[in-house]
Amino acid sequence: QQPVQSPQAVILREGEDAVINCSSSKALYSVHWYRQKHGEAPVFLMILLKGGEQKGHEKISASFNEKKQQSSLYLTASQLSYSGTYFCGTPEMDSNYQLIWGAGTKLIIKP
Amino acid sequence: ETGVTQSPTHLIKTRGQQVTLRCSSQSGHNTVSWYQQALGQGPQFIFQYYREEENGRGNFPPRFSGLQFPNYSSELNVNALELDDSALYLCASSYAGSNWEQYFGPGTRLTVT
Repeated sequence: QQPVQSPQAVILREGEDAVINCSSSKALYSVHWYRQKHGEAPVFLMILLKGGEQKGHEKISASFNEKKQQSSLYLTASQLSYSGTYFCGTPEMDSNYQLIWGAGTKLIIKP
Repeated sequence: ETGVTQSPTHLIKTRGQQVTLRCSSQSGHNTVSWYQQALGQGPQFIFQYYREEENGRGNFPPRFSGLQFPNYSSELNVNALELDDSALYLCASSYAGSNWEQYFGPGTRLTVT
C-alpha cells in the first residue's frame, strides 16, 4: 500500500526550515528518501533502517519512528538547491527492496 | 564510472503499437528496476530484474515485459500500447546487498496517441 506524504506542497524562503512526513499503514522496515527536480531523474538522499541506522549522502537529517510507522525528513536552513519534489519509498516486503513510493511533496524555495 | 543511461529520450507511438525501451546500468550494479511515472505522480514500480531473472513485479499487465542481459543492461517492452501508457519511464540500477540505494537514469518520455 502506498505511503502517505504530507504536506503535498510547501513554499519557503531561503534559510527557513521544513519537515516532510511519510506515513504507512503497515509495518516499516526501512524508508527511502529521494528528491526529483523538474525534468530530471530522482536522486537518492537517504535510507533509514529499522534499528536507527541511517545511510545518506547529503547533510539532510531524518527520523524513523517504527512504532508510529512514519518517517520525517528535516531540511534546515533551506537553500535554493533544495527545491524539488521529495518522495519517500517503502519496501513491499521486509527483505525485498522493491519500493512503493508516496505521491511526493513539492518544495519551493524562494530567495 | 558511467551513470545509468536510457534510450530513447522521447518517443511517440500510436495506440496498439509495441515499444522497446533500453537501460544501461551503472558499472558494478546487478539489479535493475523499472518504474512508470505519470505527470505529477510518484513512480509506480513495474518490475525488477536481478541476475537476468525477474525478481518481483508490480500491478502491471503481462503486456509489460522485460529482459536483463549478462552485462546487466535491460529492456522494457510494452505491447498493444494504450493511451494511459503515456508517461515517463524510469530505470534504476542498484547493487544487491547495499541496502538497495537506487541510481536512476534520466528516463524515456513515451507519448501514445
